Amino acid sequence: DAGVIQSPRHEVTEMGQEVTLRCKPISGHNSLFWYRQTMMRGLELLIYFNNNVPIDDSGMPEDRFSAKMPNASFSTLKIQPSEPRDSAVYFCASSPGQGAHPNTEAFFGQGTRLTVV
Amino acid sequence: AQKITQTQPGMFVQEKEAVTLDCTYDTSDQSYGLFWYKQPSSGEMIFLIYQGSYDEQNATEGRYSLNFQKARKSANLVISASQLGDSAMYFCAMREGWGAQKLVFGQGTRLTINP
Repeated sequence: DAGVIQSPRHEVTEMGQEVTLRCKPISGHNSLFWYRQTMMRGLELLIYFNNNVPIDDSGMPEDRFSAKMPNASFSTLKIQPSEPRDSAVYFCASSPGQGAHPNTEAFFGQGTRLTVV
Repeated sequence: AQKITQTQPGMFVQEKEAVTLDCTYDTSDQSYGLFWYKQPSSGEMIFLIYQGSYDEQNATEGRYSLNFQKARKSANLVISASQLGDSAMYFCAMREGWGAQKLVFGQGTRLTINP
């Protein structure tokens, strides 16, 4: 298996522009997570899906952020309009979902380093 | 309330020594899992080891072991015979309950192994 695939690996954009981050989870995994990592705030869970349905989006910082999972093999995290404080590494992770033992770990993608100038 | 607490922002250890990274957690669930991840300077998140709340034995995985003290709600990672390649950020995480539950991380500990 190729693991969790994120694209792009790096993104530099100007303030005010729309940014879309993409994620392909591991085949057969029902849960998908979006995390944001910064020096100040560490690893924050933004949102997670189970069976393509958003379960908890309480970590989404504000309305400028939105996430979708139109099918089991694809998810997007969109920021519109982007701001310099959105600069961070964004990770996508997946794990077996419904009915899975709590010991099941999450598998992470390589991350997208976003810089908003 | 903070679910996972890692009180050591940074640690410095001599090569070949053992090192213990602290992690305490907070949950009212009886069923939960505790995880440790390593993040080297290259940035990827590498799963190291897990411990289930019902596991009676401490988890071990090569040079990694987990010192699980349920009553104290601690799940410390022990790395034996440290190597230069162990220098990285280490994160403790917890998943509560069964099924599609979120994985919540602590703030991390930056471990530096000195030659």
